[in-house]
Amino acid sequence: NAGVTQTPKFQVLKTGQSMTLQCAQDMNHEYMSWYRQDPGMGLRLIHYSVGAGITDQGEVPNGYNVSRSTTEDFPLRLLSAAPSQTSVYFCASSYAAGSYEQYFGPGTRLTVT
Amino acid sequence: DQQVKQNSPSLSVQEGRISILNCDYTNSMFDYFLWYKKYPAEGPTFLISISSIKDKNEDGRFTVFLNKSAKHLSLHIVPSQPGDSAVYFCAAPRGNTDKLIFGTGTRLQVFP
Repeated sequence: NAGVTQTPKFQVLKTGQSMTLQCAQDMNHEYMSWYRQDPGMGLRLIHYSVGAGITDQGEVPNGYNVSRSTTEDFPLRLLSAAPSQTSVYFCASSYAAGSYEQYFGPGTRLTVT
Repeated sequence: DQQVKQNSPSLSVQEGRISILNCDYTNSMFDYFLWYKKYPAEGPTFLISISSIKDKNEDGRFTVFLNKSAKHLSLHIVPSQPGDSAVYFCAAPRGNTDKLIFGTGTRLQVFP
């Protein structure tokens, strides 16, 4: 199993550009989520999904969109990048809602200039 | 409002000694806690967890203690090894959901 994979590893965007961060898992996990990590702030939940076709907002959803058309994939879209979105983004998955223990991908480091 | 707090940003411990990482929480409704370990340029990995019905959970060199009355948990690593050098996050699920709330992390350095 590859576990949770994320692409790209690094990305530089200009303000106003859009892009999609990719996340995939091969563990047949129902629950997937996106976090961002900023210095001194821990990890904060952006969006999550409890299964294909179902998504919901986390703590810091503004400026991001998600969709979940398959169990395996959970892309995160930045609609119009802003410097405040400079961060490290982690995708995570767990077997099902309520299993709590989440498996994280290696992260995408995004810089918005 | 930081519901899960790790007040020590860093900790330095000699190899072979005990490392104690602390975490405080404000929400008495939290009933499950997790510790994650993170190496640079990698994602966090699950380390150990504890349910609020217990006050201790042990897994090899790692033990987590929960003091519900003080709203405090701690992670003990005995003996500490250089490979334990990483950032440690405590986390709790919000309500009856999988929305994890993370602390800000403690960077542990274990030196020879």
